[in-house]
Amino acid sequence: AQSVTQPDIHITVSEGASLELRCNYSYGATPYLFWYVQSPGQGLQLLLKYFSGDTLVQGIKGFEAEFKRSQSSFNLRKPSVHWSDAAEYFCAVGAGENYGQNFVFGPGTRLSVLP
Amino acid sequence: DAGVIQSPRHEVTEMGQEVTLRCKPISGHDYLFWYRQTMMRGLELLIYFNNNVPIDDSGMPEDRFSAKMPNASFSTLKIQPSEPRDSAVYFCASRREENQPQHFGDGTRLSIL
Repeated sequence: AQSVTQPDIHITVSEGASLELRCNYSYGATPYLFWYVQSPGQGLQLLLKYFSGDTLVQGIKGFEAEFKRSQSSFNLRKPSVHWSDAAEYFCAVGAGENYGQNFVFGPGTRLSVLP
Repeated sequence: DAGVIQSPRHEVTEMGQEVTLRCKPISGHDYLFWYRQTMMRGLELLIYFNNNVPIDDSGMPEDRFSAKMPNASFSTLKIQPSEPRDSAVYFCASRREENQPQHFGDGTRLSIL
């Protein structure tokens, strides 16, 4: 079964600074990879996804992520963070064609943004 | 398009009571998922349906939990009897077939006193 780790529980950055959130997965084949964001009291919103093709994917709100097979990573980046980006970020992995039961979320990284 | 709709948004009840959470998936989505989110355990998949049929309920914690999907536009998650340790945020999500991401509702925050 696949697994997902997000090494950073909590990250604090200043507004305008760059951001990178780490995600590592464990799976024998090429997985489907996702990043979701959750604002307080809200559900999860999809930021971006990777299924195949270009390993650098663009998402909403200025986020991008790069799939690196050699490192089993799918790190999320943003060049300039805005105060509204403060939220919880979840990396998720889906495996196989029918990845219902094989859809696993990481533990999440909480992002705080300093003014 | 309307997203996944969950009700109620908040539920506070006493232990031993029956709790019913409701979900309306996005129209045309063939898969429906129920998740539970807690600080200690993060997001856990409880059960998911494909075309209204339960496919995997291995995440359902115990027999007190049950879920149904009587039609393509409605699902319920029921806890009977409820216990304080069931307190969590319960999310419903849906997706189409074939490599589509899941879309989440805003969740139901459940507090069992």
